[in-house]
Parts: sequence; structure tokens; C-alpha cells
Amino acid sequence: QVQLQESGPGLVKPSETLSLTCTVSGYSINSGYYWGWVRQPPGKGLEWIGTIYHDGSTYNNPSLKSRVTISIDTSNNQFSLKLDSVTAADTAVYYCARVGLALTADIFHLDYWGQGTLVTVSS
Amino acid sequence: QTVVTQEPSLTVSPGGTVTLTCASSTGAVTSGYYPNWFQQKPGQAPRALIYSTRNKYSWTPARFSGSLLGGKAALTLSGVQPEDEAEYYCLLYYGGVQGVFGGGTKLTVL
Repeated sequence: QVQLQESGPGLVKPSETLSLTCTVSGYSINSGYYWGWVRQPPGKGLEWIGTIYHDGSTYNNPSLKSRVTISIDTSNNQFSLKLDSVTAADTAVYYCARVGLALTADIFHLDYWGQGTLVTVSS
Repeated sequence: QTVVTQEPSLTVSPGGTVTLTCASSTGAVTSGYYPNWFQQKPGQAPRALIYSTRNKYSWTPARFSGSLLGGKAALTLSGVQPEDEAEYYCLLYYGGVQGVFGGGTKLTVL
């Protein structure tokens, strides 16, 4: 059973850096999937933040520009998100998810998700 | 800026059939957009239902089906149950290793 669990501070001050970690269990993070972050502001829809592969290759949403850094720690089966210079607009529930991408096999999906963690940006 | 559009809200009677759609600002949605559908209930994480247009997961109830309809991706619920009341999101692939979510459809079972 694949499980993902987000962890990190629930409150971040404006202009500081938001840092979250996703711990994966039941599946090796090295084994051929991508790993992604998605967020959802309160009462609003979903927004894809970025994705990482086990080799460290990353793909970020251009709308978040250079504020996003995603990294991976294969020894601990974790991957992490850092979002710089946060504002109130970054207040959201942050989800991590497993991303399947194999277009020749007709596969693009986010099959397993963490339960999400609410991060509030406020002084 | 690519925009993915869904119906804001729909209402269906228990036992009825309803179709939710997902349109792209770039034009007709084809299988090459690998449409995905997710169900989200209040206070819960999204749950994957359909991937790559019509493929189901082991946990997807049989009453959910995906298709392409009139240039859009579609999710059809047949024999709707009260527990199907939820927000539904579509996701389309535009290249790279990410996609764009639709704004969501709030489905009411009444």
C-alpha cells in the first residue's frame, strides 16, 4: 500500500520560506515514478506546483517562477518543497502525490496522494 | 496562460445519470491530453478516479466512466449514489511533467 505523508510548519511569516517534506512508504522513491506537489488555497481549486524524478530532475510551474525548489532524498524515501518569499496568497493546503508518466504506454496520472497539510502565511 | 474549464455546479437525482465536462482554452481535448478525473469531498485529499481519458483504478466504482465528448473530456456517473456528492476536478497534460487542473465541478445529489 503506497502512502504519502506531508510534514512541516503550519505557519510561516510573510517573505520567509515555506518548507515541507513528503515521506513515502510502501514504495521505493527510486522505482520509476515522478513525485509532485499540488496546492489548494482555502475554498479554491487545485494548482500543480512542481515535480521531481529520482535522478533529481525537476519541472516547476512557470507561474511560480523561481520561488520553488523541489529536492529528493532517496536514502530516506522523501522529497521536499521549498517556496521562497511567501505572501498571504501562498496560504493553502499542500499535497504531495505520486506522478505516473509514460506516454508511450498511455500513462499520465496522479494516483496516490498525501492527506495534505495546511500552511498559513501570516505575521 | 492555459485555462481548463469545467461546469461550476451540477445537480443530479439519486439513481440518475450526469456528465461532467472539461474543456481546454487551446482547443479540442484529445487523448493526447491524457485527461484525468479526481473526486474531492470536504476536508479530504483528492481521490483519483480516471486517468488517460477512460482508464480506471482498482478502487474506481464501476458507475464512473471517462470519455471524449464534443471536443471535451467527460466524466459520466451512471446510477448516482448519495455518496457521489463531491467536487470533481479534471486534469489535462500539456507537456513536460505536469498538468493543468480545471476549476472543479460541485456535484449535488438531490
